[in-house]
Amino acid sequence: DARVTQTPRDKVTEMGQEVTMRCQPILGHNTVFWYRQTMMQGLELLAYFRNRAPLDDSGMPKDRFSAEMPDATLATLKIQPSEPRDSAVYFCASGSNSGTGIRLDYGYTFGSGTRLTVV
Amino acid sequence: DQQVKQNSPSLSVQEGRISILNCDYTNSMFDYFLWYKKYPAEGPTFLISISSIKDKNEDGRFTVFLNKSAKHLSLHIVPSQPGDSAVYFCAASARGNTPLVFGKGTRLSVIA
Repeated sequence: DARVTQTPRDKVTEMGQEVTMRCQPILGHNTVFWYRQTMMQGLELLAYFRNRAPLDDSGMPKDRFSAEMPDATLATLKIQPSEPRDSAVYFCASGSNSGTGIRLDYGYTFGSGTRLTVV
Repeated sequence: DQQVKQNSPSLSVQEGRISILNCDYTNSMFDYFLWYKKYPAEGPTFLISISSIKDKNEDGRFTVFLNKSAKHLSLHIVPSQPGDSAVYFCAASARGNTPLVFGKGTRLSVIA
């Protein structure tokens, strides 16, 4: 059963520290998304990549957040410096886009998330 | 401004009855709609989808209805089971080439 793997599962850090979250998308999926879940905003898109190229990162604070895909098997989301308002659950999702659009008859596959708490 | 709205944060239904979850959207470019189900401490999982060329899609106990003129869709679960208790997210996309836009979710509680 193909899965999106996210690490760490939980992270507690002090304000001002750097946080790195990792995601291993499903093998063969060429599109990777980072979403954040908060009580106020629900699931909001932070950034996404297709074929490792960043397509849109307008959803994340550029001064402190950065997202990269060093290779096809790894996506990272970094926060530096972290702030208490960054506390949320961060989800990675992957899908396959052949160029004519993502196969939406089965949606994206989400990881289990990283629960970040900044104190 | 929220493009996908789920106006009911929570819903409580008795086991065996019908659960109806509602979703409204504002962007007329959306042409594909999905429902995701989320249990605590897990990621959202795909449940059912519908294309704008249809007005209904059924999968077992789950049926999604789409009313394009009203920009409204709904998820019906019949009969509801305690295992259906979860948060349900409505999501939309334009031609599959734009990322899914999600609503804030509706927490469904099915009471035995």
